[in-house]
Amino acid sequence: AQTVTQSQPEMSVQEAETVTLSCTYDTSESDYYLFWYKQPPSRQMILVIRQEAYKQQNATENRFSVNFQKAAKSFSLKISDSQLGDAAMYFCAYRPNTNAGKSTFGDGTTLTVKP
Amino acid sequence: EAGVAQSPRYKIIEKRQSVAFWCNPISGHATLYWYQQILGQGPKLLIQFQNNGVVDDSQLPKDRFSAERLKGVDSTLKIQPAKLEDSAVYLCASSLDRGSEKLFFGSGTQLSVL
Repeated sequence: AQTVTQSQPEMSVQEAETVTLSCTYDTSESDYYLFWYKQPPSRQMILVIRQEAYKQQNATENRFSVNFQKAAKSFSLKISDSQLGDAAMYFCAYRPNTNAGKSTFGDGTTLTVKP
Repeated sequence: EAGVAQSPRYKIIEKRQSVAFWCNPISGHATLYWYQQILGQGPKLLIQFQNNGVVDDSQLPKDRFSAERLKGVDSTLKIQPAKLEDSAVYLCASSLDRGSEKLFFGSGTQLSVL
């Protein structure tokens, strides 16, 4: 079974600084997707960034980027120029690329942004 | 584009009572998911529908939980009877198809069982 581990229950960052959230996963599949979701107090999960396992290039979305290390099964999220609105729970998720693949989520990291 | 709608937003019941949650996915999305998110944990899949058929319900406690998706659109998740450990946020998500990697989530229903 696939597992996703987020080893940092809480992180904090100063506004405008950079922070990195860690994620490791375990799978025997070779073709899959990895995601970072943001969950604010409104509870709605919002997709931040995604990475296809077959792509070596790290995904980037504005201030958000990932460091994908396939051999090490590591998928960290870097948030640059942190803003107050970035404060939320962040979940790492894995999904195999099969027709009925289901997503497995980590237990989340609570990010606090200090003004 | 309208998002995934869920109701109610909050529900408080006593143990052994029954409760139902409703979800309306994004129009045209064939795949619908129900997740349970216990406080301090990530969402865990309960059941996945493709149109009105069940694809995966391996994690659904079938002795007390049931779900249906009549006509392949709206879905209802029911708990009967509820236990204290069912206290959680129940999230509904949809995707264009079960091969689609992008999930769209609703805002969930927060259930408290007293």
